[in-house]
Amino acid sequence: GIQVEQSPPDLILQEGANSTLRCNFSDSVNNLQWFHQNPWGQLINLFYIPSGTKQNGRLSATTVATERYSLLYISSSQTTDSGVYFCAVARGRAGFQKLVFGTGTRLLVSP
Amino acid sequence: DSGVTQTPKHLITATGQRVTLRCSPRSGDLSVYWYQQSLDQGLQFLIQYYNGEERAKGNILERFSAQQFPDLHSELNLSSLELGDSALYFCASSVTGGGDTQYFGPGTRLTVL
Repeated sequence: GIQVEQSPPDLILQEGANSTLRCNFSDSVNNLQWFHQNPWGQLINLFYIPSGTKQNGRLSATTVATERYSLLYISSSQTTDSGVYFCAVARGRAGFQKLVFGTGTRLLVSP
Repeated sequence: DSGVTQTPKHLITATGQRVTLRCSPRSGDLSVYWYQQSLDQGLQFLIQYYNGEERAKGNILERFSAQQFPDLHSELNLSSLELGDSALYFCASSVTGGGDTQYFGPGTRLTVL
């Protein structure tokens, strides 16, 4: 099956710093999502981005489908950005989908 | 708030018991998915339903079963529970089930003692 690798596994930042998280996947996909899992366990949708670039406030993401990777940028980080960031992909045929998750990047933003 | 609701939020039970987790998808979503998050296995897909029909299956144990009802809510049944079944169980929903955004519920945290 498809493999998803995320790097770095852990990241510690000072508040206000910028960071880039990477997601590599082993095959073509028709779904790629970035999630933030907060300390209470909630999985929050950040982006649906099987290709191209999107921005939402301090966060932006880029997926280069032909090279099988996606990047999540966090600018001016805040303590509330702490948690685990997951990339998940799917390549099922129409109507059949299962997201395969990476192992995540654990981010700690200190004040 | 994603619009996906799950009950209960927490569940504590004993080995050998059976539990039912419930999920209500976002209004208008026809597809429901179940995922399990455990410390050793990470986040894993269990099963997908679309408009009442099973569509895709992951590494779901035979002791686990699910269904989607005519009103589109879904239930995940876990039986003969073992310590290793302790995990966070997420339900997600999407409109078509075909490569569109999956929205996740808050999860049910199951503890098997």
